[in-house]
Amino acid sequence: EAQVTQNPRYLITVTGKKLTVTCSQNMNHEYMSWYRQDPGLGLRQIYYSMNVEVTDKGDVPEGYKVSRKEKRNFPLILESPSPNQTSLYFCASSSWDPPVQYFGPGTRLTVT
Amino acid sequence: AQSVTQLGSHVSVSEGALVLLRCNYSSSVPPYLFWYVQYPNQGLQLLLKYTSAATLVKGINGFEAEFKKSETSFHLTKPSAHMSDAAEYFCALSGAGSYQLTFGKGTKLSVIP
Repeated sequence: EAQVTQNPRYLITVTGKKLTVTCSQNMNHEYMSWYRQDPGLGLRQIYYSMNVEVTDKGDVPEGYKVSRKEKRNFPLILESPSPNQTSLYFCASSSWDPPVQYFGPGTRLTVT
Repeated sequence: AQSVTQLGSHVSVSEGALVLLRCNYSSSVPPYLFWYVQYPNQGLQLLLKYTSAATLVKGINGFEAEFKKSETSFHLTKPSAHMSDAAEYFCALSGAGSYQLTFGKGTKLSVIP
């Protein structure tokens, strides 16, 4: 089954404790992306990657890091999480022709 | 620059009534347009997409949308609402030849029995 997986689905952590949210896709897509979803603000892009070793900032990159060492994986790293990063996070990958994005199930992060 | 505006952050309809969720867009290049649905505690699922073929697009679960260039609109409709349609719906746009998606703020649909 074609899918995007994320882990963990739920995470509660404390300020300053480094964490990684994993994302993997099995559709051989070149493009992958991370979004955060907050009430009233909709979905905002954090980072995206056009291919292996190619990443770029989205609309709200501050406080986040990403890496793309393999085509299928695109982890999101919070090196020093803060409470304002409490949010629902989605990973997505995209086909090219046409460019349709497929989303993972989401990771609900709470930073206390 | 491109943008997506969804009119109405919350829409309520009675079960069996017409569902109409409005989406207007602004784009300097020919757009691809999408509707996604998000059920509670789930990710976004693609409902339908417009990619410059037929202007009337049919999607899953009985939904359809019509691309109207003159009105810069891509409204989502369903003739008869079911309780299972209660969810949040997002309209999104990408420029032809681009991966980047611009989302609207979303419309939460409630279905009243």
